Amino acid sequence: EIVLTQSPGTLSLSPGERATLSCRASQSVRSDYFAWFQQKAGQAPRLLIYGASSRARGIPDRFSGSGSGTDFTLTINRLEPDDFAVYYCHQYGSSPPWTFGQGTKVEIK
Amino acid sequence: EVQLVESGGGLVRPGRSLRLSCTGSGFTFSAYAVSWFRQAPGKGLEWVGFIRSNPFGGTTEYATSLKGRFIISRDDSKSIAYLQMNGLKTEDTGLYYCTRVQAVAGSDYWGQGTLVTVSS
Repeated sequence: EIVLTQSPGTLSLSPGERATLSCRASQSVRSDYFAWFQQKAGQAPRLLIYGASSRARGIPDRFSGSGSGTDFTLTINRLEPDDFAVYYCHQYGSSPPWTFGQGTKVEIK
Repeated sequence: EVQLVESGGGLVRPGRSLRLSCTGSGFTFSAYAVSWFRQAPGKGLEWVGFIRSNPFGGTTEYATSLKGRFIISRDDSKSIAYLQMNGLKTEDTGLYYCTRVQAVAGSDYWGQGTLVTVSS
């Protein structure tokens, strides 16, 4: 099973700042099957990034994903109040099981 | 508009069974795989399993820890996927989500979830 480890656990930032979230895999992941989700309290997760770097429909270009192999990054430029949430990385490769990171909470400083 | 609606959650005693439903609309349900995820209260996301579309065999995959207790099936004539949960344990308590699975984008649409509480 591929273990995904996200860092930091919590990120305290102010609106307008840049957030950089990291996800490290215990073994190499096909970039085609790597995603990032945003989850706000009381809501279902929302797909932000798939294929490591492709934005899902309706996701603003402030959100960008990068990385390959075992190291992946989600960058959120110019944080807006609506961006403060928990973010999960996820691998959904052709060989299950699919796994998630434990989440990074982006909170208002 | 693509929509997924989960139903069937509730309070159930340990050891009992429960069947959840996931009804899709706004897309060709039969053309997509469907996955189930869950989230224990205050915890992160956990993959439960998925069922491929029938053109791809309609076969299933499960999280290792759940194999044998949980069964996913689908009825494309009704645009519904099911999650049959047997031998429920208190640690199965949580919010259960279903998703549409795109070949490239993965779980691109999620339902709002249905709450399962396993307690005596």
